[in-house]
Amino acid sequence: AQTVTQSQPEMSVQEAETVTLSCTYDTSESDYYLFWYKQPPSRQMILVIRQEAYKQQNATENRFSVNFQKAAKSFSLKISDSQLGDAAMYFCAYRSASNAGKSTFGDGTTLTVKP
Amino acid sequence: AAGVIQSPRHLIKEKRETATLKCYPIPRHDTVYWYQQGPGQDPQFLISFYEKMQSDKGSIPDRFSAQQFSDYHSELNMSSLELGDSALYFCASSFGTGAILGNTIYFGEGSWLTVV
Repeated sequence: AQTVTQSQPEMSVQEAETVTLSCTYDTSESDYYLFWYKQPPSRQMILVIRQEAYKQQNATENRFSVNFQKAAKSFSLKISDSQLGDAAMYFCAYRSASNAGKSTFGDGTTLTVKP
Repeated sequence: AAGVIQSPRHLIKEKRETATLKCYPIPRHDTVYWYQQGPGQDPQFLISFYEKMQSDKGSIPDRFSAQQFSDYHSELNMSSLELGDSALYFCASSFGTGAILGNTIYFGEGSWLTVV
């Protein structure tokens, strides 16, 4: 079974600065997908970024980028130029490509942005 | 753009009652997933359907059942409700399952179930 670990229950960052959220996972599969979801106080789940395991290039979406280290099974999220609206719970998720595609989530990291 | 629609948004039930949650996927999406998120917890996968057939099963209690209908909407039926069933229930949808291009799943806003 796959597991996802987010070792930082809470993180804080100053507005306009950069923060990195950590995520590691455990799997025996070679083909899979990784995601970061943002959950604001409204509890909605919003996709931030996705990474295909077969791609070596790190995914980037505007101020959000990942550092994907397949051998180390690490998938960190970097948020640049942090904004107050970035404050939320962030979940790292793993999704196998070989089964029906259920996602396994980490425990989440609560990000606080200080003005 | 149309998103995943869930209803009702909030539901209060008493112990031992039955509740039904509905999910309308994004148009053209053929796969539906149900997740349960308890207070302070990460989302836990319950069950998924692809083309109206159950495609995967997670930690769904025997008291719960679900199905996907011909129009691809899905319903999660929960019977003999317990206090511990109080949670936010997410529905998500995708086009194709994870075995096809690893398509991203998109979440609805969730249905809050409170069991009293």
